[in-house]
Amino acid sequence: QSVLTQPPSVSAAPGQKVTISCSGSSSNIGSNFVSWYQQLPGTAPKLLVYENNKRPSGIPGRFSGSKSGTSATLGITGLQAGDEADYYCGTWDSSLTDVVFGGGTKLTV
Amino acid sequence: EQQLVESGGGLVQPGGSLRLSCDGSGFPFTNSWMSWVRQAPDKGLESVANINHDESEKYYGDSVEGRFTVSRDNAMNSLFLQMNSLRVEDTAVYYCVRNRGFFALDIWGRGTLVTVSS
Repeated sequence: QSVLTQPPSVSAAPGQKVTISCSGSSSNIGSNFVSWYQQLPGTAPKLLVYENNKRPSGIPGRFSGSKSGTSATLGITGLQAGDEADYYCGTWDSSLTDVVFGGGTKLTV
Repeated sequence: EQQLVESGGGLVQPGGSLRLSCDGSGFPFTNSWMSWVRQAPDKGLESVANINHDESEKYYGDSVEGRFTVSRDNAMNSLFLQMNSLRVEDTAVYYCVRNRGFFALDIWGRGTLVTVSS
């Protein structure tokens, strides 16, 4: 069982918008920054969002992150076929003293 | 180019040991927190170990605590993971990862596969 809770799957049509939720607790999301990762089939994960809502260089503005209390959300607009991937949220857990991840959400476009 | 390259994976019997290595380049390795993250077949991501720049802080996942040891050689820009008392459930792709700050993992290696089986 993952410490952070994500929906197993989401789907939307090309060009549409989708959101992926990530729920945690006061010891992780509630007190630390959240990151989001994209894992395309057969590849290593890639950082999409860090510090709740910042994007690394090269990540398009179609990807956005937000956090409220003990939950975080990844938003993707203008969906493309190439966005089909597994998406993971992650953060530090101050009680466990470890990085924790959600179970992953499979996006189907 | 910022790069991490893992090596040392392979097939090992239950109870055996394995040592993974990771070579970094293209970024300030010496100043970076580093992590090992693993992914079992068709499963999600799991943190294995985290280490700060001078080895004064090390944190391990519950499932590997007492069996795995993380270390680094900053002179060689290398990260290591010594894995002892391996179990079938340790079978996974092991990724070497750089922590850019606040545990945002921004540089990932391609991973090395560890298979524990008799």
